[in-house]
Amino acid sequence: EAGVVQSPRYKIIEKKQPVAFWCNPISGHNTLYWYRQNLGQGPELLIRYENEEAVDDSQLPKDRFSAERLKGVDSTLKIQPAELGDSAVYLCASSPRTVTTEAFFGQGTRLTVV
Amino acid sequence: ILNVEQSPQSLHVQEGDSTNFTCSFPSSNFYALHWYRWETAKSPEALFVMTLNGDEKKKGRISATLNTKEGYSYLYIKGSQPEDSATYLCAFANSGYALNFGKGTSLLVTP
Repeated sequence: EAGVVQSPRYKIIEKKQPVAFWCNPISGHNTLYWYRQNLGQGPELLIRYENEEAVDDSQLPKDRFSAERLKGVDSTLKIQPAELGDSAVYLCASSPRTVTTEAFFGQGTRLTVV
Repeated sequence: ILNVEQSPQSLHVQEGDSTNFTCSFPSSNFYALHWYRWETAKSPEALFVMTLNGDEKKKGRISATLNTKEGYSYLYIKGSQPEDSATYLCAFANSGYALNFGKGTSLLVTP
């Protein structure tokens, strides 16, 4: 069974440019998460989807970040415009149910904003 | 955002040593506690999901315990091997929906 697939693995962009990340979760997983990990910190939740509905986006900086999950499957996370402080690893994870089951993570996208 | 503390921040042991890490979390409204192992250039991989006070789980040389009343979990590695080198993350949930991660413990095992 294929795991969670993220692309790209690495991205270097200049500040003020837009960037997008893509995630394909495990088939059948209703819950999808986007996390951001800054250097030396633990992953922080940006947004959680249940099927196609964003049920928790309280930590998503809505002035520049947006996300969507079309048809409750693949998801994209966009930053426009990117700032230097957005440099981080962006992780996507999916889970078949709530937090009583493990989350399956992709390899992440390492974003560097210069 | 809930405060999840992990200690130590990093650890360097010799092959064959046994070691343990601590994860502290709020003791109220407990729902679940996860442990993940994250090796460099790979995806974080779940080790354990624990939901009951007193839970003890084991996978090979790795085991974990849970005390929800006092708000801590221990992860033990018996006879560490170089392939155990990784960052170990714990994550706490006080509802059914969101995991709050600690900063992780970085383990290096040298031959």
